[in-house]
Amino acid sequence: GDSVTQMEGPVTLSEEAFLTINCTYTATGYPSLFWYVQYPGEGLQLLLKATKADDKGSNKGFEATYRKETTSFHLEKGSVQVSDSAVYFCALQRRDDKIIFGKGTRLHILP
Amino acid sequence: DGGITQSPKYLFRKEGQNVTLSCEQNLNHDAMYWYRQDPGQGLRLIYYSQIVNDFQKGDIAEGYSVSREKKESFPLTVTSAQKNPTAFYLCASSIDPGLGGNQPQHFGDGTRLSIL
Repeated sequence: GDSVTQMEGPVTLSEEAFLTINCTYTATGYPSLFWYVQYPGEGLQLLLKATKADDKGSNKGFEATYRKETTSFHLEKGSVQVSDSAVYFCALQRRDDKIIFGKGTRLHILP
Repeated sequence: DGGITQSPKYLFRKEGQNVTLSCEQNLNHDAMYWYRQDPGQGLRLIYYSQIVNDFQKGDIAEGYSVSREKKESFPLTVTSAQKNPTAFYLCASSIDPGLGGNQPQHFGDGTRLSIL
């Protein structure tokens, strides 16, 4: 079945470091791919999305590129801030609208 | 501002008791969803509804029930048959489930349910 695998956390970085959170997927067809972010005590918020191969989603300095050949959608940011500390979820959404989430990666940014 | 409102934020249940979690949206979205979030497990789909008066089971529906009498509302009842109900419950909505799977879901801030 369809699945999403993302790197286990927690990931701890110093402020201004470069961030990569790996995400790979298994799916039939051509899903849309998403990154959601969850701040403490809150629900998930859409961070960025890409709906077809080679699309790049970007928002708030975060980027991810839909790589069909490697079935990946890695999240990157050039310079992280303390306020980026949160849990990040990679997700795929099938044509029938069902979403499959990864297990989440907790990110800690140290000042 | 439009959004999704879940209440209460914290809920306690005694053994053998049913409890109902509220979810209301004013986004005029057609589809609504309930997820359960456990530490290290990601989100798991409990029930979803694509239209008023219709809903389908998700991956972990046992011990839960829902209704969709109004477009804006999708309450979740955790019944006494749910043996391990302690979790964080998230409600979500999306604009139109027929648009081919590229419309993101919008989430409420969740309800944390604990057993006394």
